[in-house]
Parts: sequence; C-alpha cells; structure tokens
Amino acid sequence: GENVEQHPSTLSVQEGDSAVIKCTYSDSASNYFPWYKQELGKGPQLIIDIRSNVGEKKDQRIAVTLNKTAKHFSLHITETQPEDSAVYFCAAPPGGGGSNYKLTFGKGTLLTVNP
Amino acid sequence: DAGVTQSPTHLIKTRGQQVTLRCSPKSGHDTVSWYQQALGQGPQFIFQYYEEEERQRGNFPDRFSGHQFPNYSSELNVNALLLGDSALYLCASSPLSGTGDEQYFGPGTRLTVT
Repeated sequence: GENVEQHPSTLSVQEGDSAVIKCTYSDSASNYFPWYKQELGKGPQLIIDIRSNVGEKKDQRIAVTLNKTAKHFSLHITETQPEDSAVYFCAAPPGGGGSNYKLTFGKGTLLTVNP
Repeated sequence: DAGVTQSPTHLIKTRGQQVTLRCSPKSGHDTVSWYQQALGQGPQFIFQYYEEEERQRGNFPDRFSGHQFPNYSSELNVNALLLGDSALYLCASSPLSGTGDEQYFGPGTRLTVT
C-alpha cells in the first residue's frame, strides 16, 4: 500500500516568515495530493490539493509543489499569521485509478507561528 | 449550507460493548468515508460507502462495519470494543460521483473505551 512520510514533525516560525512542510510518497501511480489543516478539537480542513498533471498550485498565501520524479510534494505558506498555527497533514491515495478516496495520511506537522 | 455533521460529539463506552456513530454528508455529496484518528497521529482509512455499499476498506477487522442510507447519511458500528479503539472517528464526504473526489471532514466523534 501507499506509504507517506512527512517532515518536520514540529515547526516554529515568526509571524511574517514562510513555512515549508515536505512529504514523500511511495506509490508512483498516485495522482492526487491534498493538504489538510487541523485545529484543536476540529476535523481536518482541506486547504489545497494538487493533481499529478501539474507541478504547482497556488491559492493566496499557500502553495503546493509536486515533483513526481522524486515522489515528493511540499506545502508552502508565506507571510504566516498566528491563525496559521495548527497541525498540517499531507495525504496520498494508492495509484491504479478509482481509489482517490482511500487516503494515506502523513503523521502531521505542528506549526506554531509566534507573534 | 451545512457541512459534514457527526453525532454524538463524545462517547464513553466500556470494553466489550458496541457503539454506533452517525454522519450526515455535506449537501450535494453522495460518497462517505470513515477514518480513525488516534491521538497524535494522522487519520487512518476505515472504509468508503457509495450507493449504499462498502466500496473500499482499509486494514480494519470485521468488528468495524458500516451502513449508508438512501439519503447518503452513514453509520459506523464497532462491536466488541477494545481499549485500543479509543480515538477520534472522522467522517468525510465527497461530491456527487463524477464531479470530484475531494474529501471534506466533519468534526469527529471522540470515543473513549474504558
């Protein structure tokens, strides 16, 4: 099955700095890569996703890049704000088509943005 | 427009008992998936329901079963509860088939087994 590794496990930045979280996956046929933000006591919130036919996607202060050759994808948050503090998860489904619902999640990154 | 809703919010059960958790998908969604999230870990896929049938299953024993109703809502049942079943149980719904496979999560049900 799919194996997803996420780094770092914790990340502390100053407000206004950038934050980068990286994930690697094992199944070269995977074609969908979402990122979720989970605040304390809440369910994961889909913040951005990317499909294998593009290398980068941006939505305001967040962006995701994908390197299919190296089998890794990264979340970039610019101009961080205290409300960005949360646990962030990457995920990937197994390849082979039709299975994008069966996500394997990384172990999460606790991002702390210090005012 | 209501998002994914789950009930109850919290639940305490005793080892060996059975539990039923409920999920209503987001409006316009017909596919429901269930995940288990242990403390400090990422969610783990349990199974997915579409057209009232289990379509995919993760690495969970038969003690975990589910159901989907004609209105797309879903239930997760766990029999013979073990202490290790204590976790946050998340339901995720996806748009009508063919229009997208993004998953949107509910707030979860916190299950404690004593």
